[in-house]
Amino acid sequence: KAGVTQTPRYLIKTRGQQVTLSCSPISGHRSVSWYQQTPGQGLQFLFEYFSETQRNKGNFPGRFSGRQFSNSRSEMNVSTLELGDSALYLCASSSREDRSYEQYFGPGTRLTVT
Amino acid sequence: AQRVTQPEKLLSVFKGAPVELKCNYSYSGSPELFWYVQYSRQRLQLLLRHISRESIKGFTADLNKGETSFHLKKPFAQEEDSAMYYCALSGAAGNKLTFGGGTRVLVKP
Repeated sequence: KAGVTQTPRYLIKTRGQQVTLSCSPISGHRSVSWYQQTPGQGLQFLFEYFSETQRNKGNFPGRFSGRQFSNSRSEMNVSTLELGDSALYLCASSSREDRSYEQYFGPGTRLTVT
Repeated sequence: AQRVTQPEKLLSVFKGAPVELKCNYSYSGSPELFWYVQYSRQRLQLLLRHISRESIKGFTADLNKGETSFHLKKPFAQEEDSAMYYCALSGAAGNKLTFGGGTRVLVKP
């Protein structure tokens, strides 16, 4: 089975712009979660989608949004980019909605905001 | 609120020595706890979860609800164990993981 894929792998944007990141989960996985990883704050949960519905949301401003499509692929969008949004954005998928199940992580998208 | 604390940012041990990574959590309900590992230039991956009560690559972790801890242990460290280790907690329904700050383990020959 192919693993979780994320596109693009690297992105450079300017303050004020918006960006869309994409995640394709492992085939058959219906849960997709997003995390932000920075040296200062570590790994922080952004949101989770299951069968196209947002189930959980982390403590991020409304500039961060996401969605999931019927094929379980997910996108996250960040509007009005700030320098502090520079981070590695990780996507993870899981086969079940049960919280005890393993999450499989993608390689991440490295976003740099200048 | 849920919180995970890993007090050591770096653990340096010699090959063959025991290694213990500490993890303490704060959660009012019944948590699910995990250890994830990231080897150099690889993805974050699950090492073990408390519900499985299994040993992976010689590592074990015991959930101590009284001390709210989930420490990771290995009796004899190997050089290939050098990596970044994250303790994580899943509380409410769904797949939201709260991660600790991570501990970098360096196993010296």
